[in-house]
Amino acid sequence: EAQVTQNPRYLITVTGKKLTVTCSQNMNHEYMSWYRQDPGLGLRQIYYSMNVEVTDKGDVPEGYKVSRKEKRNFPLILESPSPNQTSLYFCASSSRGGGLTDTQYFGPGTRLTVL
Amino acid sequence: RKEVEQDPGPFNVPEGATVAFNCTYSNSASQSFFWYRQDCRKEPKLLMSVYSSGNEDGRFTAQLNRASQYISLLIRDSKLSDSATYLCVVRNSGYSTLTFGKGTMLLVSP
Repeated sequence: EAQVTQNPRYLITVTGKKLTVTCSQNMNHEYMSWYRQDPGLGLRQIYYSMNVEVTDKGDVPEGYKVSRKEKRNFPLILESPSPNQTSLYFCASSSRGGGLTDTQYFGPGTRLTVL
Repeated sequence: RKEVEQDPGPFNVPEGATVAFNCTYSNSASQSFFWYRQDCRKEPKLLMSVYSSGNEDGRFTAQLNRASQYISLLIRDSKLSDSATYLCVVRNSGYSTLTFGKGTMLLVSP
């Protein structure tokens, strides 16, 4: 089954404790992206990657890191989480990253709480 | 002006009703437009792309008005299962990031 998976789905942690949220897709997509969704603010892009070893900042990259060493994986790293990073996080992927017919597929989401 | 604006709703309609949502975008160079559907606390899923000439998919019709910079979504014969948040999404150039509106909530009641 074609899908984007994220782990963990739920995480409660404390300020300053490094964490990684994994994202994996099995569709051989070139483009992958991370979003956060907050009430009243909608979905905002954190980082995206057009291909292996190619990453770029989105609208809200501060406090996050990413890497794209393999095509299928795009982990999101919070080196020193803070309470303002409490949010619902979505990973997404698409075949090329552009065009009217290029659909973005989203993972199920990771609900992160930073105390 | 915000990049992509939507009325947050909620729109409360009875089953069988026709309901329409509008979305405005600020960048006149925007090239690609989409409607996504998001159920509560679930991931967004593509509902339909919006073509320049307008397009229809069953009970759903999307229209694009470039001159006025708005996109619309019309849902006919609403079903209970249509209850969700509808996200208007814009891409500003061929291979750039997507910008999401905050969504319009639809509640369909029996």
